[in-house]
Amino acid sequence: DAGVIQSPRHEVTEMGQEVTLRCKPISGHDYLFWYRQTMMRGLELLIYFNNNVPIDDSGMPEDRFSAKMPNASFSTLKIQPSEPRDSAVYFCASSRTPQGRNEQFFGPGTRLTVL
Amino acid sequence: DQQVKQNSPSLSVQEGRISILNCDYTNSMFDYFLWYKKYPAEGPTFLISISSIKDKNEDGRFTVFLNKSAKHLSLHIVPSQPGDSAVYFCAASDPGGFKTIFGAGTRLFVKA
Repeated sequence: DAGVIQSPRHEVTEMGQEVTLRCKPISGHDYLFWYRQTMMRGLELLIYFNNNVPIDDSGMPEDRFSAKMPNASFSTLKIQPSEPRDSAVYFCASSRTPQGRNEQFFGPGTRLTVL
Repeated sequence: DQQVKQNSPSLSVQEGRISILNCDYTNSMFDYFLWYKKYPAEGPTFLISISSIKDKNEDGRFTVFLNKSAKHLSLHIVPSQPGDSAVYFCAASDPGGFKTIFGAGTRLFVKA
């Protein structure tokens, strides 16, 4: 199994531009999570899906952030417009069971830099 | 408000010695705890977990201790090896299991 796949690995963009991050979960996993890692706040859960349906998006910082999961093998996290404070590493993770009852498998992350 | 706190941003230990990483939580509803390990340029990987019905769980060189009355858990690595140098995240979830809260992480340096 290839594990969780994220693209791109690195993204540098200018303030105001739209950014789209992509994730392919492990086949058979029915939960998908988006996290953001910063020095100040550590690893924050942004949103998670169960069977392609968004369950909890309370961690999404503001309306500039949106996430979709059109099918079981693909999800996107979009930031529009992007701001310098969005610079962080964004991780996607998937699991078979409700999180907390089993391990989550993380992708390698996308390092986003907004200039 | 951080519900899971790792108050030590970093820890340095000599190879062969014990590493102790600490974690405190505030939500008494948390009933399942996990530790993840993260190397640079990689995603976190699961290391070890413990249910609130236990106070200790051991897996090879790694042992997690849980003190529910103090709302504190710790990860012990014995003996520490240079390959253990990484960022360690403590995480906790409630009985619903639908949300896992992570701490900010502790960077461990194991010196050869």
